[in-house]
Amino acid sequence: GAVVSQHPSRVICKSGTSVKIECRSLDFQATTMFWYRQFPKQSLMLMATSNEGSKATYEQGVEKDKFLINHASLTLSTLTVTSAHPEDSSFYICSAPPRRGAPYEQYFGPGTRLTVT
Amino acid sequence: KQEVTQIPAALSVPEGENLVLNCSFTDSAIYNLQWFRQDPGKGLTSLLLIQSSQREQTSGRLNASLDKSSGRSTLYIAASQPGDSATYLCAVMDSSYKLIFGSGTRLLVRP
Repeated sequence: GAVVSQHPSRVICKSGTSVKIECRSLDFQATTMFWYRQFPKQSLMLMATSNEGSKATYEQGVEKDKFLINHASLTLSTLTVTSAHPEDSSFYICSAPPRRGAPYEQYFGPGTRLTVT
Repeated sequence: KQEVTQIPAALSVPEGENLVLNCSFTDSAIYNLQWFRQDPGKGLTSLLLIQSSQREQTSGRLNASLDKSSGRSTLYIAASQPGDSATYLCAVMDSSYKLIFGSGTRLLVRP
């Protein structure tokens, strides 16, 4: 099956700094990738849709200036948490559909655990 | 706005029991419905995907049903094992390919 990787798997940063998370589709191209956030003991919430070659679309309540998304190639999307604060500590997961126009499964990355101290 | 609800929130059963997890959604205009497994601190493992035109899917000891008109899905796990202990998430995909997740059912299968 299709493989999606994320890097890093865990990151600890100090409050006020920025951290970048990468999401890569390893064996397929993805024009769209999705970024989710999961707080402890809660479900996944969609943050934004990353579109290759164009601006990301953000869900209501997600600050686009704080969570910068860049989808520069068909295999890589990055999420940068700018001026991170402890409340941004969460589990961030990306997903990518390998093809459109037909029923498919979205393939999820293994997630990135962000801790802001 | 689509809302997905899972009942029960937590479930503890002895090994060997058959069990049913429930998922309901408010908008029947879905593209598909998926069940995922998540182990603590880990990512998601896709278990079953049911297309909107289908009624059920089976994989091994797992069977998922979908009643789109009533906005319900069930995940049936036969002969549960301790290794089945995890959080099970239900998610519906809307027409823009976005997944809306339920809050999950935390399952503990006791040896």
